[in-house]
Amino acid sequence: EAQVTQNPRYLITVTGKKLTVTCSQNMNHEYMSWYRQDPGLGLRQIYYSMNVEVTDKGDVPEGYKVSRKEKRNFPLILESPSPNQTSLYFCASSFLAGEEQFFGPGTRLTVL
Amino acid sequence: SQKIEQNSEALNIQEGKTATLTCNYTNYSPAYLQWYRQDPGRGPVFLLLIRENEKEKRKERLKVTFDTTLKQSLFHITASQPADSATYLCALGDSSYKLIFGSGTRLLVRP
Repeated sequence: EAQVTQNPRYLITVTGKKLTVTCSQNMNHEYMSWYRQDPGLGLRQIYYSMNVEVTDKGDVPEGYKVSRKEKRNFPLILESPSPNQTSLYFCASSFLAGEEQFFGPGTRLTVL
Repeated sequence: SQKIEQNSEALNIQEGKTATLTCNYTNYSPAYLQWYRQDPGRGPVFLLLIRENEKEKRKERLKVTFDTTLKQSLFHITASQPADSATYLCALGDSSYKLIFGSGTRLLVRP
């Protein structure tokens, strides 16, 4: 089944404890992206990647890192999480940039 | 700064009627615009894509228009059904392929 998977789906952590949210797609898509969704603010793009080893900042990249070493994986890294990074995170992918995106199921992160 | 506005108030309509949702933008020159549907607790699902040189796109009961002069897109659902109840998001992209989403409009279709 063609899909975007994210792990973990739920995570509660404490301030400053490094964490990684994984994202994987099995559709051979070139474009991948991370978003956070907060009430009243909608979806905001954190980082995106046009292809392997190519990443660019979205609107809210501060406090986040990404890497794209393989086409299928696009992990989101929070080196030192803070409470203002408590949010619902979505990973998405598309065959090419500018085309329909397929979203993962989301990761709900709480930073205490 | 770039801004996308969708009606924050829920749109409440009777089954069978046409739902029209609006997406307005300022300080932006999008190359394309996408519409997504999002159900509670789930990721958005793609519905339609329209490019800057296109005026209208249709898919089954869905229609989207894109007016770059008015800086506005309209999204129509004809013969609406209770199953169409969801939040609808518009997203604009430019040549850098960065994507900006609106905060969404909730649609409620009454039986």
